[in-house]
Amino acid sequence: GENVEQHPSTLSVQEGDSAVIKCTYSDSASNYFPWYKQELGKGPQLIIDIRSNVGEKKDQRIAVTLNKTAKHFSLHITETQPEDSAVYFCAADANDYKLSFGAGTTVTVRA
Amino acid sequence: EPEVTQTPSHQVTQMGQEVILRCVPISNHLYFYWYRQILGQKVEFLVSFYNNEISEKSEIFDDQFSVERPDGSNFTLKIRSTKLEDSAMYFCASSEVTDSGELFFGEGSRLTVL
Repeated sequence: GENVEQHPSTLSVQEGDSAVIKCTYSDSASNYFPWYKQELGKGPQLIIDIRSNVGEKKDQRIAVTLNKTAKHFSLHITETQPEDSAVYFCAADANDYKLSFGAGTTVTVRA
Repeated sequence: EPEVTQTPSHQVTQMGQEVILRCVPISNHLYFYWYRQILGQKVEFLVSFYNNEISEKSEIFDDQFSVERPDGSNFTLKIRSTKLEDSAMYFCASSEVTDSGELFFGEGSRLTVL
């Protein structure tokens, strides 16, 4: 099955700096790569996703890049703000019905 | 904005008891899922459900687990005889389409087995 590895497990950044989270996946058949933000006591919420037919996608301060050859994808948050503090999960979808999640990255933005 | 709702938010039960976790998916969605997250660990897929039957299930989803869509709005997860290791946050999710469609997650039901 699909195995998704995510690094780092924790990330502390100064407000205004950038944050980068990296993930690798094992199944070359995976074609959908979403990123979820989970705030304390809440369910994961989709923040951005990318499909295997593109290499980069941007939405305001958030961007995701995908390298299919190397089987890795990354989340970039620019100009971080305190409300960006949360746990971020990457995931990969190797078939139609289920996501395989990374272990999560706890991001803390210091004011 | 439509959302997936789950009840209860927290349930405490004794080992060996049956538990039913309830979910109301987004109304026009056709695909339903249960995931679980043991404290401090990854979110793990349990089961997917479409057209009143299980589409796929993980190795975690053994005979102690079952899912049902008893009416047009609810989607339930039953754990027949709970074990200590079933303690986790259980997330329901739904999607409008498959083929890498966006999953919308509920806020979760925390199950504590004593």
